[in-house]
Amino acid sequence: DQQVKQNSPSLSVQEGRISILNCDYTNSMFDYFLWYKKYPAEGPTFLISISSIKDKNEDGRFTVFLNKSAKHLSLHIVPSQPGDSAVYFCAATQGGSEKLVFGKGMKLTVNP
Amino acid sequence: DAGVTQSPTHLIKTRGQQVTLRCSPKSGHDTVSWYQQALGQGPQFIFQYYEEEERQRGNFPDRFSGHQFPNYSSELNVNALLLGDSALYLCASSLTRQGANTGELFFGEGSRLTVL
Repeated sequence: DQQVKQNSPSLSVQEGRISILNCDYTNSMFDYFLWYKKYPAEGPTFLISISSIKDKNEDGRFTVFLNKSAKHLSLHIVPSQPGDSAVYFCAATQGGSEKLVFGKGMKLTVNP
Repeated sequence: DAGVTQSPTHLIKTRGQQVTLRCSPKSGHDTVSWYQQALGQGPQFIFQYYEEEERQRGNFPDRFSGHQFPNYSSELNVNALLLGDSALYLCASSLTRQGANTGELFFGEGSRLTVL
């Protein structure tokens, strides 16, 4: 049973527009959520995170929103840039553990 | 400042063989985690090593074992390889500080294992 789900495998947007990447989770014990970005032939790199005590966290062009009642989080990228084209993974954990549970990932393509 | 380095980058084995993958953590880090990423899937947690001991383990059989050395580097060993063990094996490092674990891991590029 997949505890972290990224139901859309891919997303294509135009440069300058907003990219919205969605993630759902089933385990109500998760209390910390992270987004990682992965380029081909590279390891995943940390992008942004959010604690369950917050509903929004912002870092430059990246904002993560958390809706605990819906067990849903989303990553907004505004404005999107071609260099943002990558696979994005949503991950969750609980109790300060570094045992991350990842979704399957979503491939974002930003067209110039 | 060197990041996480893994070796080898690619390797091919046959069923039943054994494999050892190696990882050097980012400078200053003391904790190493291993993840398996099958094709089209997200990374899956195998185990984590801290102070040369396995601290946490995911849902992987005993064929998967590991080790951490005094210099914090780590090895992942897989015995009796199966076709289904074909995957990208990712090593991630972090610094364990009391109450400060954030889940922000630094990943290496991975070792791609193909089992024939």
